[in-house]
Amino acid sequence: AQSVTQLDSQVPVFEEAPVELRCNYSSSVSVYLFWYVQYPNQGLQLLLKYLSGSTLVKGINGFEAEFNKSQTSFHLRKPSVHISDTAEYFCAVSEPSWGAQKLVFGQGTRLTINP
Amino acid sequence: KAGVTQTPRYLIKTRGQQVTLSCSPISGHRSVSWYQQTPGQGLQFLFEYFSETQRNKGNFPGRFSGRQFSNSRSEMNVSTLELGDSALYLCASSLGLQLAGPHNEQFFGPGTRLTVL
Repeated sequence: AQSVTQLDSQVPVFEEAPVELRCNYSSSVSVYLFWYVQYPNQGLQLLLKYLSGSTLVKGINGFEAEFNKSQTSFHLRKPSVHISDTAEYFCAVSEPSWGAQKLVFGQGTRLTINP
Repeated sequence: KAGVTQTPRYLIKTRGQQVTLSCSPISGHRSVSWYQQTPGQGLQFLFEYFSETQRNKGNFPGRFSGRQFSNSRSEMNVSTLELGDSALYLCASSLGLQLAGPHNEQFFGPGTRLTVL
């Protein structure tokens, strides 16, 4: 079964420092990959997605992610974080063969930005 | 354009009761998915509806059911509530069936927080 592992449950970072949130998935077939952000008491918001093509994907709020098929990874990066980036981040995967909206999520990474 | 709305936002029930949660998708969206979010299990897919048909179902017991109406609004029902059903229930809507479609992003609602006592 498809699974997603987010290697860090919590990541504390100082403001204006770079950050990388790690995500690995288990699949030998083609996949779609997503990063979502969840602010307190809110639903999920899509940051970026990889469907096909260029392995470097740029998203909203200055985030980007790189799809690495050989390492089955899809790590999220931002070169300089802000206090407002404090939130929980979820990596998710879907398979084209599912023909559906179903997403399998990782356990989430809580990003805390310290001043 | 209004986003995905879920009602109620908060709900408290006791064990053994049943509950119905409602989701109104973004206008024009025909696909609705439901997810359960708990601290222990994280985000888990419940089911997906498109044009009133259930297209996909997650690994949940039969106590969890749902439906979609002709106006794309969706409801999910949980019968015989258990303590472990306490969770944030999220609804998401999108235009069509395929996540890979060029404009087919899933938009999530704020969720309904269900507490079972």
